[in-house]
Amino acid sequence: SQQGEEDPQALSIQEGENATMNCSYKTSINNLQWYRQNSGRGLVHLILIRSNEREKHSGRLRVTLDTSKKSSSLLITASRAADTASYFCATDARSGAGSYQLTFGKGTKLSVIP
Amino acid sequence: SQTIHQWPATLVQPVGSPLSLECTVEGTSNPNLYWYRQAAGRGLQLLFYSVGIGQISSEVPQNLSASRPQDRQFILSSKKLLLSDSGFYLCAWSQGYSNQPQHFGDGTRLSIL
Repeated sequence: SQQGEEDPQALSIQEGENATMNCSYKTSINNLQWYRQNSGRGLVHLILIRSNEREKHSGRLRVTLDTSKKSSSLLITASRAADTASYFCATDARSGAGSYQLTFGKGTKLSVIP
Repeated sequence: SQTIHQWPATLVQPVGSPLSLECTVEGTSNPNLYWYRQAAGRGLQLLFYSVGIGQISSEVPQNLSASRPQDRQFILSSKKLLLSDSGFYLCAWSQGYSNQPQHFGDGTRLSIL
């Protein structure tokens, strides 16, 4: 079953505005990660937040994590047309083989209009 | 620095034909390797992962198989493709412990006719 679910499914904003995407998950996690995917390309890792962290920043990105609500948010400030992409959250779970697998949500498609 | 190569970028195959997609990683040793499939407008579905040479775990019963003949080589195969095998296939690697990101190739767009 899908562990992470992003909300909204699609988001359209004007350049310069902030974009907020949310992710909810169902079970306990070690960490939560956000990825970006440009159309037709592979995913690119943006930021990782551990379960004992509440907030993390990277450039124009701000991620929050609320483990009591099993939710996370990704904020992109001062958006640019180049931020147009799909954004996915992913949660990890340790498998019996010792591999750390990620379970991805369906993503939020962000369109930034110049 | 580490790089991941995945090929081909696009592939059109007839139903019933075989498949072989290759992924190689450079600049690291003993990575965890993953094959995902992404349907249009959907999230990623984990198909296979490997923690070492010859060690393959399957997540979803299907028409596909995977092999890891060398430490940094991961191959996705099928003996007979189905229409439902169409999709965007992504290979990824990570270090073998938690709190590490996965690094993705640019994917293969597979169309079955």
